[in-house]
Amino acid sequence: KAGVTQTPRYLIKTRGQQVTLSCSPISGHRSVSWYQQTPGQGLQFLFEYFSETQRNKGNFPGRFSGRQFSNSRSEMNVSTLELGDSALYLCASSLVGDTAREQFFGPGTRLTVL
Amino acid sequence: GQSLEQPSEVTAVEGAIVQINCTYQTSGFYGLSWYQQHDGGAPTFLSYNALDGLEETGRFSSFLSRSDSYGYLLLQELQMKDSASYFCAVRVSGGYQKVTFGTGTKLQVIP
Repeated sequence: KAGVTQTPRYLIKTRGQQVTLSCSPISGHRSVSWYQQTPGQGLQFLFEYFSETQRNKGNFPGRFSGRQFSNSRSEMNVSTLELGDSALYLCASSLVGDTAREQFFGPGTRLTVL
Repeated sequence: GQSLEQPSEVTAVEGAIVQINCTYQTSGFYGLSWYQQHDGGAPTFLSYNALDGLEETGRFSSFLSRSDSYGYLLLQELQMKDSASYFCAVRVSGGYQKVTFGTGTKLQVIP
């Protein structure tokens, strides 16, 4: 079974631009969560989607948004990029009802904002 | 809100045993998970505890004490490949299941 895939793997943007990251969960997984990881901060929860609905949201500004499609693939968007948005963005999928017990992470998208 | 505390770094000798602690403050606690992340890699699930006691999976064991809001990950027969960051994560209630990760413990295994 294929794992979680994320595209692109690396991205360089400049301040003020926007970016869209994509995540394809493991087949059959309907829950997708997004995390931001920066050195010393661990994994910060962004949001979780299930069946095309956002059901949890972390403490991030409205510039961070996401969505999920009917095939469970998910995208997250960051608008008006700031230098502090440079981070590894991880996507994780899980089975229905098991979101917080075991999550399967993708390799991440490394975003650099110049 | 939720908060978790882990040591930032731990060093141990190959073949030895190391314990990584995690204390948490949260409401609506459901369970504690552990993840391993090698440099440049994705986090991978190691174990989950919902009830007090010890869970063993090969060389790795995880312990939980709900009354003490405390858990630990125990790694036995350390190997060089165990050098990685280890994160604890709490699962809490609140409408739907939510997860909060600790800041991670960087384990260095030395010969």
